[in-house]
Amino acid sequence: SQKIEQNSEALNIQEGKTATLTCNYTNYSPAYLQWYRQDPGRGPVFLLLIRENEKEKRKERLKVTFDTTLKQSLFHITASQPADSATYLCALALGTGRRALTFGSGTRLQVQP
Amino acid sequence: DTAVSQTPKYLVTQMGNDKSIKCEQNLGHDTMYWYKQDSKKFLKIMFSYNNKELIINETVPNRFSPKSPDKAHLNLHINSLELGDSAVYFCASSQGTSGVKAKNIQYFGAGTRLSVL
Repeated sequence: SQKIEQNSEALNIQEGKTATLTCNYTNYSPAYLQWYRQDPGRGPVFLLLIRENEKEKRKERLKVTFDTTLKQSLFHITASQPADSATYLCALALGTGRRALTFGSGTRLQVQP
Repeated sequence: DTAVSQTPKYLVTQMGNDKSIKCEQNLGHDTMYWYKQDSKKFLKIMFSYNNKELIINETVPNRFSPKSPDKAHLNLHINSLELGDSAVYFCASSQGTSGVKAKNIQYFGAGTRLSVL
């Protein structure tokens, strides 16, 4: 069966360090992968999209990698700040014709001052 | 201006009641969605409408009926509410394209927390 797995345990890091979150998937061949941020009591907010033919994408302090051989995406936040504390969700599109996304359960990041 | 707005934000009701959640987007998007987020935080697609036409219906009980009067609105009506329906329901929209340029970046509302007692 198809699965998307993110580390369900919270990730605690010190301010200024790099946070690395993992998204693994099985039995998918996604056309692209997206990362979202969700704060308590709010809807997810889009951060980055990476396509199957791209290895890496950057946006300010954020970096996403996509390894279709390993079936894994890594999400990095460099120089992390307490304001980065949130739950981060990865999401896959099952195909170019299908518009809904399949989400992982998210990893909660806590950045300590 | 709120891009995707859904009402109400909180909904507390008794088992067996019928309730509706409304969603509106002012982004000009052609596709709207309903997702359910359970207590374990999994966000699961329920329905998707493209230009008022139902394109995705994911094994959702037929007590749930979406209605799209126009492409800016997608409402969710739930009949005979059950305890297991308690969750946070998110509306979202996207301006999707098909093929290799597809992005389908989703814009979410703030959610409706439904509690069935």
